[in-house]
Amino acid sequence: NAGVMQNPRHLVRRRGQEARLRCSPMKGHSHVYWYRQLPEEGLKFMVYLQKENIIDESGMPKERFSAEFPKEGPSILRIQQVVRGDSAAYFCASSPTGRPYEQYFGPGTRLTVT
Amino acid sequence: GENVEQHPSTLSVQEGDSAVIKCTYSDSASNYFPWYKQELGKRPQLIIDIRSNVGEKKDQRIAVTLNKTAKHFSLHITETQPEDSAVYFCAASPLGSQGNLIFGKGTKLSVKP
Repeated sequence: NAGVMQNPRHLVRRRGQEARLRCSPMKGHSHVYWYRQLPEEGLKFMVYLQKENIIDESGMPKERFSAEFPKEGPSILRIQQVVRGDSAAYFCASSPTGRPYEQYFGPGTRLTVT
Repeated sequence: GENVEQHPSTLSVQEGDSAVIKCTYSDSASNYFPWYKQELGKRPQLIIDIRSNVGEKKDQRIAVTLNKTAKHFSLHITETQPEDSAVYFCAASPLGSQGNLIFGKGTKLSVKP
């Protein structure tokens, strides 16, 4: 049973470009969470999704950030018009159906904005 | 909203000694408290968790205690080994949050051989 998969592992974007981060949950998991981790900081919740539904996006910045989890395919976190402050590690986690708190993390995508 | 404080931010112990990391939370309705271990450049890994209806849980050298009245919980690692060196994060899940976790800022544990 493969773990949570994220790609790319490293992403470099120039200011103003778009960043797309992908997350494939563990087999049998229907909940997906995105977190952001700044250097030397803890993880900050961004958004919680189930298939085709955003359940809680209270941690998402109001502008430039969006997330989706389509019926088929991975969950995608999209950042438009990136700025230097978006540089961080973005982690996705998934949890089994009915156990939303039991979260298993992917390896993360390290976004660098130049 | 929920706020989680974690102490200390760094901890250095000799191999074989015990290590204790403490966290406090603000929302008395929080009911789930996991601990994650993150090695440098790697993913956070769930190492142990506890629910609000339990006061203590143990798994080999790792134990977690919860004091609901005082709103704090602690991670205890006994007989530490160099491979225990990592950053440890506590988290709390507020009631009604539908699963999102509020993390502490982490404790960097160094175990010296």
